[in-house]
Amino acid sequence: AQSVTQPDARVTVSEGASLQLRCKYSYFGTPYLFWYVQYPRQGLQLLLKYYPGDPVVQGVNGFEAEFSKSNSSFHLRKASVHWSDWAVYFCAVSMNYNQGKLIFGQGTKLSIKP
Amino acid sequence: DTTVKQNPRYKLARVGKPVNLICSQTMNHDTMYWYQKKPNQAPKLLLFYYDKILNREADTFEKFQSSRPNNSFCSLYIGSAGLEYSAMYLCASSRGGWLFFGHGTKLSVL
Repeated sequence: AQSVTQPDARVTVSEGASLQLRCKYSYFGTPYLFWYVQYPRQGLQLLLKYYPGDPVVQGVNGFEAEFSKSNSSFHLRKASVHWSDWAVYFCAVSMNYNQGKLIFGQGTKLSIKP
Repeated sequence: DTTVKQNPRYKLARVGKPVNLICSQTMNHDTMYWYQKKPNQAPKLLLFYYDKILNREADTFEKFQSSRPNNSFCSLYIGSAGLEYSAMYLCASSRGGWLFFGHGTKLSVL
């Protein structure tokens, strides 16, 4: 069955430090992968999306993610985090281009140390 | 206006009573979705409307109803609330592109 695992429920990094949030997926066929972010008291917003092609995709606010078929992973990265990145990050997979039917991971809560 | 609106933000319901949650969007999106999110769990798709066609997930088929009287509005209906329905309910819409989510409605069943 298709699934998404985010192994880290909570991550804390210092402001200005680099960031990696991990995502592993289990899926048959060609996956369409997404990262969503939920800032405090707001709805989920799309950060970036992967369609088959270049394995590294760029998102908003300096985020990028790299797709690895061999590792079944889609990790999110940022070179230098800002306090405004304090949020919950969700990885998700879809079975087709109609990306509304998403299977989400449980989310990773990112905290920033000043 | 690229927003999805959900009302109310918080809702209290009694066990055994019906619950109706409302969602609206003005982006003329053809598809609207309802997800359920419980603490420390992943958001889970309950159902979605593509135009006027309702699609319900197999494991929630009998627990939730929905209606879409026009393109802009979509409701989620629980006929008889149980404690297990306490959760955040997220509405989203899309038009071949990515999902736009509302803020969610936090339902507490007592």
